[in-house]
Amino acid sequence: AQSVTQLGSHVSVSEGALVLLRCNYSSSVPPYLFWYVQYPNQGLQLLLKYTTGATLVKGINGFEAEFKKSETSFHLTKPSAHMSDAAEYFCAVKGNSGNTPLVFGKGTRLSVIA
Amino acid sequence: GAVVSQHPSRVICKSGTSVKIECRSLDFQATTMFWYRQFPKKSLMLMATSNEGSKATYEQGVEKDKFLINHASLTLSTLTVTSAHPEDSSFYICSASPPPTSDTQYFGPGTRLTVL
Repeated sequence: AQSVTQLGSHVSVSEGALVLLRCNYSSSVPPYLFWYVQYPNQGLQLLLKYTTGATLVKGINGFEAEFKKSETSFHLTKPSAHMSDAAEYFCAVKGNSGNTPLVFGKGTRLSVIA
Repeated sequence: GAVVSQHPSRVICKSGTSVKIECRSLDFQATTMFWYRQFPKKSLMLMATSNEGSKATYEQGVEKDKFLINHASLTLSTLTVTSAHPEDSSFYICSASPPPTSDTQYFGPGTRLTVL
């Protein structure tokens, strides 16, 4: 069984400040981990993913995340927030074999203050 | 990246009617597609796994007779909400993974269903 916990349903940062969105996972098998972003009334856009290999993964729009097995974490960061980053962010996990569905966290809404 | 489309993007219907939502993989073939439901300010909940050429696999608590899924081709899955009621109003999103690794799901833009 797999699960995802996103700490903080709402995070607010100033423009130019560091963005840190937290994600912890539970998985009985080696996980594949994902971050998706959702803008209002739109589908989900893949930001980045970890499958195997390098534990620090870089994604689009300047975001990156680090897979830490010992901490079962996959936190999302961005050095400098931009107004356009305001959106809902979802962390998700799936098993590492087969075409299996994603298990999502509850999401974190990011607000960026000018 | 891979492209998944959904149609319609928004639909309003009367209670008791049926609504069909289409999910298409535009630039790849998908033997498996997933249907999720998202309530306002909530996360995505998996409804069912759509398998090309065979019956869909429904998650616990999802009524298979109410949410009919047909995966008739390698690029098209449809979700039909039968005898819709106001409580079926929601945002429905599909996803698919391009072969061969199938490790990443790409999502459609979603369909907003409002049942009056």
